[in-house]
Amino acid sequence: SQTIHQWPATLVQPVGSPLSLECTVEGTSNPNLYWYRQAAGRGLQLLFYSVGIGQISSEVPQNLSASRPQDRQFILSSKKLLLSDSGFYLCAWGGRGQVGTQYFGPGTRLLVL
Amino acid sequence: QQQVKQSPQSLIVQKGGISIINCAYENTAFDYFPWYQQFPGKGPALLIAIRPDVSEKKEGRFTISFNKSAKQFSLHIMDSQPGDSATYFCAASMRRGGTASKLTFGTGTRLQVTL
Repeated sequence: SQTIHQWPATLVQPVGSPLSLECTVEGTSNPNLYWYRQAAGRGLQLLFYSVGIGQISSEVPQNLSASRPQDRQFILSSKKLLLSDSGFYLCAWGGRGQVGTQYFGPGTRLLVL
Repeated sequence: QQQVKQSPQSLIVQKGGISIINCAYENTAFDYFPWYQQFPGKGPALLIAIRPDVSEKKEGRFTISFNKSAKQFSLHIMDSQPGDSATYFCAASMRRGGTASKLTFGTGTRLQVTL
């Protein structure tokens, strides 16, 4: 069965510090990968998606970037965090034969102080 | 437009009752409509989903009703249980870059099932 991992689970960072969040998927190959952000009490907003190694598409302009160095690894980064980057970050994967279906990881809660 | 409007924002239902959550969309390019259940501090879990060529889908106690002409869909939870207490999100999917898809989420409904 497929499993999606995210780490760290919780992160407290000062404003201006760098960020690296990692997501890995097991049990599937060549997945589509997604990064979402969820603000407190709100729905989820798609930040980036990737259909393959090195292929990144950005949905909203922001202070973040994403990379996919391996087939089942997706990384969310920032060079300098802003207060507004605080939130719950969720990675998701979708199979190529299941367009529209996405499965979410456990999330990383980021607090920027 | 990309919006998906969800109501109510919160819902209290007695154990054994029916919970109903409604969503509406504008963009007819959406081609897949999943519902997610999220417990506090956890990632959303796919609950049930429907395609627009189907008017109803049932899985256990969960049913989606879909009205394509009205661009509305709803989640019914029959025989609601305290363990169903969670936040529910409707979503609508649109294709991106071939096999990828973009999910646009509603703002969520916090369901509380009381004893």
